[in-house]
Amino acid sequence: EPEVTQTPSHQVTQMGQEVILRCVPISNHLYFYWYRQILGQKVEFLVSFYNNEISEKSEIFDDQFSVERPDGSNFTLKIRSTKLEDSAMYFCASTRDRVSYEQYFGPGTRLTVT
Amino acid sequence: AQSVAQPEDQVNVAEGNPLTVKCTYSVSGNPYLFWYVQYPNRGLQFLLKYITGDNLVKGSYGFEAEFNKSQTSFHLKKPSALVSDSALYFCAVRDMRSSASKIIFGSGTRLSIRP
Repeated sequence: EPEVTQTPSHQVTQMGQEVILRCVPISNHLYFYWYRQILGQKVEFLVSFYNNEISEKSEIFDDQFSVERPDGSNFTLKIRSTKLEDSAMYFCASTRDRVSYEQYFGPGTRLTVT
Repeated sequence: AQSVAQPEDQVNVAEGNPLTVKCTYSVSGNPYLFWYVQYPNRGLQFLLKYITGDNLVKGSYGFEAEFNKSQTSFHLKKPSALVSDSALYFCAVRDMRSSASKIIFGSGTRLSIRP
């Protein structure tokens, strides 16, 4: 069964550094998402991406964040200058249809900012 | 605003007993409801969904959920719990006002099954 994959599984970085989190969505899916889960808190929507552009973003997704689909298979989340409060589990998700189908989530990348 | 509420932070059940994890929703329009499970150090796994049709929805691992429109609830159930069902369970609703139909998650309920 196809699945969403994410790399790395765990990333440790120093405050102020740039990080890139990578995701490979399911191949026939059209809508891509990033969510995050701060330890002990609920899963929160960050951004959605469709047709090579951001379709929606949350207030969390400020100028420090960007997303890209550089080569038709990977989907990346970049944080330009990490802050301590960016420490969280970041989940990538994809879906074939934004209405009727469930979103499939990757295993997550645990980002630790020190 | 679209939202889901999970009133219980933790549910404890003995193995072999039935389990229920509660969820209520607040949406405008027809609800698109989901249950996801998160095992330790793992991602979110889809369990089941309600889009339309029968109020009783069957999903993975023997779980089912009952959609109740009058009570705006979507409780997750299983007739006989297994120790391996111990995990964090999230109720979720699709935000149909969202251009990308993002998912809004509840706060999660930790299910603990004792042998």
